[in-house]
Amino acid sequence: GAVVSQHPSRVICKSGTSVKIECRSLDFQATTMFWYRQFPKQSLMLMATSNEGSKATYEQGVEKDKFLINHASLTLSTLTVTSAHPEDSSFYICSATSGGLPYNEQFFGPGTRLTVL
Amino acid sequence: QKEVEQNSGPLSVPEGAIASLNCTYSDRVSQSFFWYRQYSGKSPELIMSIYSNGDKEDGRFTAQLNKASQYVSLLIRDSQPSDSATYLCAVNSAVDYKLSFGAGTTVTVRA
Repeated sequence: GAVVSQHPSRVICKSGTSVKIECRSLDFQATTMFWYRQFPKQSLMLMATSNEGSKATYEQGVEKDKFLINHASLTLSTLTVTSAHPEDSSFYICSATSGGLPYNEQFFGPGTRLTVL
Repeated sequence: QKEVEQNSGPLSVPEGAIASLNCTYSDRVSQSFFWYRQYSGKSPELIMSIYSNGDKEDGRFTAQLNKASQYVSLLIRDSQPSDSATYLCAVNSAVDYKLSFGAGTTVTVRA
């Protein structure tokens, strides 16, 4: 299957700082990328949908000013958690898809574990 | 009513047995259906995609789709301890590329 990378895999930061997470599709052009958050023992929660060259679409209840998403190219999307607080500690996972894939499959990155102290 | 429902589990099977996972969905115009495997602390990994009614086999995995009954299943044959994970059923919206996920079924394969 297609390969999606994320960086960093793990980050620990102090409350009030901003953290940027990168998501890259390595072997295909991702027309659409998604950002999810997952708390322990819970289901994936979709945060936003990102299309290359346009503004991200956020799910209800997700603060767009806090979670800044940029999809600058067909292989890169970034999520910036601004002014992070301990309640933002979670597992952040991106996925990518392309209209060229036969089933519009989503391929997931390995995830970024964020801990805010 | 939830959009995608899975048998809640957990499901415990002996090594070498068949694990059977079920999923129903509510959106009749859904186009594509997926099974993801998620190990504890890891991200989901796509293991099966199915688009047409019937069976699709890939190694020890067989996915079955019945659009009339709005039902999709996954069979894992010759279950191995390494198959112990949470299995997520996902359905692709006909409108956009978003996936609707079931809550997941946790499978434990006993050695």
